[in-house]
Amino acid sequence: DVKVTQSSRYLVKRTGEKVFLECVQDMDHENMFWYRQDPGLGLRLIYFSYDVKMKEKGDIPEGYSVSREKKERFSLILESASTNQTSMYLCASSLAGGMREQYFGPGTRLTVT
Amino acid sequence: KNQVEQSPQSLIILEGKNCTLQCNYTVSPFSNLRWYKQDTGRGPVSLTIMTFSENTKSNGRYTATLDADTKQSSLHITASQLSDSASYICVVRSNQAGTALIFGKGTTLSVSS
Repeated sequence: DVKVTQSSRYLVKRTGEKVFLECVQDMDHENMFWYRQDPGLGLRLIYFSYDVKMKEKGDIPEGYSVSREKKERFSLILESASTNQTSMYLCASSLAGGMREQYFGPGTRLTVT
Repeated sequence: KNQVEQSPQSLIILEGKNCTLQCNYTVSPFSNLRWYKQDTGRGPVSLTIMTFSENTKSNGRYTATLDADTKQSSLHITASQLSDSASYICVVRSNQAGTALIFGKGTTLSVSS
């Protein structure tokens, strides 16, 4: 079974802190994605990566950055956390190709106070 | 503009009853459509994928239909169980280069005993 793990299920941070969310997949997938999920807005793509050290902006990249130094690991970085970044963050991975299913991690519920 | 609209937003049904969830999209050119199930506190899991040439596909008690002419899809759940309580998300992929997945906002289904 494909397994996508995220470093924390729940996280509470203060405004202005630098926050790191880690995602690891164990199936040698080329593609990795970071989404945020908010009530009434659904899932929105923040960043994605098709290869190591490669990144592409999604629909809402402002306030975020990413890092992919190894194929299995994709990190989301909030440079200076703000209260409007309180959300559920979901990581996903997939093989290359348009038909490929995305496998999601369990999510990290981030609260910024 | 590429959009995916789902209805209803939420639904409450009694255990054992059937229900149908709707997904209308304006994505073009169309590649495929997936239905995901997301249990509370977990990441989405794929139920089924529909391509342009497919009209109906079943996965146990879940049956998805696709009408590519009217750009509509439905997810029918037969003999509902308490474990069907979840959010169901319709996701459409475009063939257009550089276009990521387009997510619907989901339908929240509650099955009560």
